[in-house]
Amino acid sequence: DVQMTQSPSSLSASVGDRVTITCRASQSIARYLNWYQQKPGKAPKLLIYSASTLQSGVPSRFSGSGSGTAFTLTIGSLQPEDFATYYCQQSYNTPITFGQGTRLDIK
Amino acid sequence: EVQLLESGGDLVQPGGSLRLSCAASGFTFSKYAMTWVRQAPGKGLEWVSTITGSGYTTFYADSVKSRFTISRDNSKNTLFLHMSNLRADDTAIYYCAKALDDYGYSSAWSFFDYWGQGAPVTVSS
Repeated sequence: DVQMTQSPSSLSASVGDRVTITCRASQSIARYLNWYQQKPGKAPKLLIYSASTLQSGVPSRFSGSGSGTAFTLTIGSLQPEDFATYYCQQSYNTPITFGQGTRLDIK
Repeated sequence: EVQLLESGGDLVQPGGSLRLSCAASGFTFSKYAMTWVRQAPGKGLEWVSTITGSGYTTFYADSVKSRFTISRDNSKNTLFLHMSNLRADDTAIYYCAKALDDYGYSSAWSFFDYWGQGAPVTVSS
């Protein structure tokens, strides 16, 4: 199974900050990497797929990069609605696996 | 507008069975792979099972293989998850999710653009 590891597990930041979350795969997954945002009590929301493609309707302050085993999600200028938990997910093979999540809190 | 509405979540005793349903609308249901993802209380996301648009091919996590069965009724735009021999560690919110494509057409069968609101399943005596 492909293990996905996110860092950090939690992060405190302020509105307007630039934030980067890292996701590492236990083996190469090319660019089969997706990012989701989840707010408390809500379903996850797809932000980015195939490492860097922005899902329709997602603000351009979100961006993704990487390939192989190392990937990043960057939020260019944090907005109040961005405080949430973020998950990476590999779609290279089954079993589909998610990272453990990164909780982004207001500083 | 795409909508996914789960139902069937309940409190069930260990060893018991339960069937979840997910009613889909707003898209051509049979053209997309569908997936169940669960989230235990306070924990992260765990992929459970995926079924192709035709329903002929299914995939399962090892943790549920031989206990859970995914199926779909394309005539009724409904996805199902039959769960048996339930254990305490199956306690979770179960989400149904729509893929961006069907299996065999692109890699977009294995990531998810629409999710339901979730169905709570509690396994406890």
